[in-house]
Amino acid sequence: QIQLVQSGAEVKKPGASVKVACKTSGYTFSNYGINWVRQAPGQGLEWMGWISGFNGETQSPQNLQGRLTLTTDKSTTTAYMELRRLTSDDTATYYCALIVPADSFDFWGQGTLVTVSS
Amino acid sequence: QSALTQPASVSGSPGQSITISCTATSSDVGTYTYFSWYQQYPGNVPKVVIYDVSNRPSGVSDRFSGSKSGNTATLTISGLQAEDEADYYCSSYSASATSRVFGPGTKVTV
Repeated sequence: QIQLVQSGAEVKKPGASVKVACKTSGYTFSNYGINWVRQAPGQGLEWMGWISGFNGETQSPQNLQGRLTLTTDKSTTTAYMELRRLTSDDTATYYCALIVPADSFDFWGQGTLVTVSS
Repeated sequence: QSALTQPASVSGSPGQSITISCTATSSDVGTYTYFSWYQQYPGNVPKVVIYDVSNRPSGVSDRFSGSKSGNTATLTISGLQAEDEADYYCSSYSASATSRVFGPGTKVTV
C-alpha cells in the first residue's frame, strides 16, 4: 500500500533552516510528483510546491521562491523540503502529499510540526 | 497565484443539506480549472472527499457531491450527520495537477 512517512518534529531558531524528509513506498516513485502543504496553528492549508519524482522539476508559489528548496532522492524514494531564513510565521505542520487526480491518488504524510522560536 | 474564496462557516441541522461555495477570483481562472474538496478534523490529516470537480473517491459517502459553474465550485453535503462537523477546504489545480491553491476553509457545524 502507498505510504508517506515524514521525519520528526523540529524546533528551530529564527533565521535558521529546516529540512523535512518524506519517505515514500508502495508505488513507482519516478511516475509521480510530491506536493508540500503547510498549516499554521489554527489556520488553513497552504500549498508550498510540487516536485517531479521523474526529473526533479519543481513548481512553487512566488511568495516562497528564494527560501524554499524541494529535492528528491530516487535511490531512497524520499522527497525533501528545505525552508531557509525561518521566522515565527513559518511555525506550522508541514505535510507531503501524493495527489494525482487522474489516478485517484490522494495520500498524505502524517505531518511534521516545525516550531520557530527564540 | 489564484485566490479562492469560501464562506467562513456554514451550519445545518441533522438531515438537512448544505452547500459550500468556492470561487476563483484571480485573472488566471483559466489555468486552475479543476477543483477538489478536503475534509479535515482537528489534529488530523486532510482527506479528499471530491476531486476533479465531481468525482468521489471510493469509501467516501455518497452524501458528498460536487459541481461547478463558471469559476465557482460547490460542495453539497446531503443528509447532514454529526460526523460531518469539520473544516472543509477547496483546492483548485491545473490540468497537470502540478500546481494548486487552497481556499481559506469553511467550518461546518451540525
